[in-house]
Amino acid sequence: KAGVTQTPRYLIKTRGQQVTLSCSPISGHRSVSWYQQTPGQGLQFLFEYFSETQRNKGNFPGRFSGRQFSNSRSEMNVSTLELGDSALYLCASSLEGSRGYEQYFGPGTRLTVT
Amino acid sequence: SQQGEEDPQALSIQEGENATMNCSYKTSINNLQWYRQNSGRGLVHLILIRSNEREKHSGRLRVTLDTSKKSSSLLITASRAADTASYFCATDARETSGSRLTFGEGTQLTVNP
Repeated sequence: KAGVTQTPRYLIKTRGQQVTLSCSPISGHRSVSWYQQTPGQGLQFLFEYFSETQRNKGNFPGRFSGRQFSNSRSEMNVSTLELGDSALYLCASSLEGSRGYEQYFGPGTRLTVT
Repeated sequence: SQQGEEDPQALSIQEGENATMNCSYKTSINNLQWYRQNSGRGLVHLILIRSNEREKHSGRLRVTLDTSKKSSSLLITASRAADTASYFCATDARETSGSRLTFGEGTQLTVNP
């Protein structure tokens, strides 16, 4: 079974631009979650999508948004990029959500904002 | 701030020794999971322990959970150089629906050959 894939793996953007990251979950998984990892704040939850609906949302500004498609693939978008958005963005998929199910993480997208 | 706190922040041992990492959390949980991360890569799931379980084993890994103390420990026995990585605990809070893991700050484990 193929693992979670994320594209692109690396991205360099300038302040003020917007970016879209993509995540393809493991086949059959309906829950996709996104996390931001930075040296200062560690791993922080962004949001979770389940069956095309946002089910949970973390404490991030509205510049961070996401969506999920009918095939469970998910995208997250960050508008008006700031230097502090530089981070490793990880997505994770699971059958139904972390409640009793393990999360499978992708390799991440390394975003650098200059 | 992170719900979980891990102790120690860094641990350096020799190959063959055991490594113990501790995690504390603040709220009631459904389950607690441990993950490994190699140098800025994705997280690899190691083990999940439910709130009604006290101990779980998987190969060289042993996890304990004490919900009264809101703490967990991960023991890696007979460590290998390949175990060098960051280890994170993550909790799934009881009051949330769906998936929302809260991660600890992590323990950086270095196993010297």
